[in-house]
Amino acid sequence: SQKIEQNSEALNIQEGKTATLTCNYTNYSPAYLQWYRQDPGRGPVFLLLIRENEKEKRKERLKVTFDTTLKQSLFHITASQPADSATYLCALGGNYGQNFVFGPGTRLSVLP
Amino acid sequence: GAGVSQSPSNKVTEKGKDVELRCDPISGHTALYWYRQSLGQGLEFLIYFQGNSAPDKSGLPSDRFSAERTGGSVSTLTIQRTQQEDSAVYLCASSFSRDRRGSRSGNTIYFGEGSWLTVV
Repeated sequence: SQKIEQNSEALNIQEGKTATLTCNYTNYSPAYLQWYRQDPGRGPVFLLLIRENEKEKRKERLKVTFDTTLKQSLFHITASQPADSATYLCALGGNYGQNFVFGPGTRLSVLP
Repeated sequence: GAGVSQSPSNKVTEKGKDVELRCDPISGHTALYWYRQSLGQGLEFLIYFQGNSAPDKSGLPSDRFSAERTGGSVSTLTIQRTQQEDSAVYLCASSFSRDRRGSRSGNTIYFGEGSWLTVV
C-alpha cells in the first residue's frame, strides 16, 4: 500500500540555521509533490509544488528538491525564523482521478 | 468566495446524534475533498468529488459517513449516529481539475479552516 513518511515528528533548530525536512514515499509514482504549512487550529496552506520532471524549486527562503529515483523530497528553510515554527506536510498527487495523499507532518520549532 | 468556507466552525454534539458539515469551495473549482484530522495527527482522506464523475468514497471510515455535492459546488458531509471517536476537525479543500498536464493553479488545493467536531 502507499506510504509516506516524514523524517521526524518534531524538529528543533536554532534561529538563523537551515531547517531540512524529509518526505519519503513508497508504492507510489506521483506526478507532483507539494508542501504545505499548518499552524495550530488552522487549515493547511500551500507553499510549493514540484513536478516529477523538476529537480528543484525555490521560493524566497524555501527550497524543495524531488528525487523520483530515491522517492524522496527535501524541504529546506534557510535563515529560519521563529515565525517559521509550524507543522509542515508533504502531499503527493498522481494521475487524473487519484487522490492527494498527505504525509503525517513534521512539527518544526525554531528557537530564538 | 475568496476562499474555501466551512460551517459550522465548531460543533458539540451528543453521542448518537446526526451532524451535517458544510463546505463552500472556491468558485470555479471542480474538485472538492474532505479530510479528517484528529488532534496531533495527520490528514486522513475521506472523499473526493471531481466534476460530474462518481465520487471516490474509498476513505469513508464507515457507512455512518456520507457526503454529497449539489450542483457541482456546495458539499455536505453527514455523520449519522455520531460516536466519540468521530471527534476531530473535518477539513474541506478544493482545486481546479487535476491531470498530468497540470492546471492553471498547478493543481494546488486550498483548504478551509475546518469544522471542529466534538462528540460528548
